This record gives sequence, C-alpha cells and structure tokens, in this order.
Amino acid sequence: LAKTTQPISMDSYEGQEVNITCSHNNIATNDYITWYQQFPSQGPRFIIQGYKTKVTNEVASLFIPADRKSSTLSLPRVSLSDTAVYYCLVGGPTGTASKLTFGTGTRLQVTL
Amino acid sequence: GAGVSQSPSNKVTEKGKDVELRCDPISGHTALYWYRQRLGQGLEFLIYFQGNSAPDKSGLPSDRFSAERTGESVSTLTIQRTQQEDSAVYLCASSIQTGRTDTQYFGPGTRLTVL
Repeated sequence: LAKTTQPISMDSYEGQEVNITCSHNNIATNDYITWYQQFPSQGPRFIIQGYKTKVTNEVASLFIPADRKSSTLSLPRVSLSDTAVYYCLVGGPTGTASKLTFGTGTRLQVTL
Repeated sequence: GAGVSQSPSNKVTEKGKDVELRCDPISGHTALYWYRQRLGQGLEFLIYFQGNSAPDKSGLPSDRFSAERTGESVSTLTIQRTQQEDSAVYLCASSIQTGRTDTQYFGPGTRLTVL
C-alpha cells in the first residue's frame, strides 16, 4: 500500500513560487501521482496528474524524479486564493481503488 | 454540466440512530467512491463502486457501515446505530473509467454530527 508523506503546513507570500513535496517510497510500477486542492467546506478538486518526469498545465507543474519515490507540486506566483489544503494521491488504474491513498495534506497559507 | 451532488448537506442525529447519506454522481461516470474526513484530518477511503458492484469494501470501518449503488447512478451510504466517532464529513466522488488513475470529481460532502 503506497503511503504518502507531506509537510503539514507551509506559508508563502503572494507572488512567490511554492513547491510542495510528497514522499511515496512504496510507489508501485502502475501507480500515478495526482494532486488535489481542497478549500474549507468543499470537496477536493483535481489539480494535476503525472507518471514520470514533468507535467505542466495552466495552474501548476508536477516534477517526478526518475526513481518516482517523491513528487513536487509547483505553484507559480501564488495568490491569496491559493490558500487551501493540498493532497498528494498515489494510486493505480481503475479497479485497484483500495490502493488509493491520500496523503495527510499540506495546509498552504498565502499572505500579502 | 451538473457535478456530483450529495444530500443532505448537513445531518444531525442522536447516538444509536441510523442515517442514510446519498450521492448522485456525474452522469456517465461508472466509478463512485466514498470517503470520510474527520475535522482537520485527511481523506479516509471507505468504499469504491465500479458500476453497481463494490470490488473493495475494506475501507468500511465496521459492520455498521454499508453502501449500495443502483442503476450505475445513485449511491447510498448507510450508518447503523451511529456513534459519536462517526461524526465527520462524508465525501462522494465519481470518475470515468479511463484505464489509468481516474480524475475524481468530488461532491460538497455531507456533514454528519452525532450527538
């Protein structure tokens, strides 16, 4: 079972780049890495997903080293509205949902 | 289009009573997930449906918890003889089966308070 570890919290100023790292030493060959964002009183929302190397979309980048034992979510130029909890999820293809494991989440606080 | 909806949004019940929580997934999504999130905690996986079958129920915390899904749409999570430790937000998510780790679309959750 792929267990994930993230920092409990991070603080940043508006306009800075924020990097949140997730450790997943027991990641399996078929596992993908997915990051979700959760605001208070809402369900998590998909941010980005990757398998290896680097993935970039309009809101974030995901860096995955060759050994895939960790991954880093990079948020460029954060704003106050990026204050949320960020979860790292490691899991395999559909049908192996029991191995879907959310990390404890990283609480990001962005201030002026 | 419509997202995942859950009802009720809030439920307050007395210890020992049974509760039913409902989830309406996005139309066409064959996979459906239930999670529990205690205050200030992460998401705890409960059960996963593929169509109407539940390949894995190992996340259900006790035999007081059960879930069913009918018509590959609506799912109901039932908690019998509720206990105070059942107080939490219960989140439902759905996804399209794509053969890889699917993007899960979450509902707003049901906040359950057991007095």
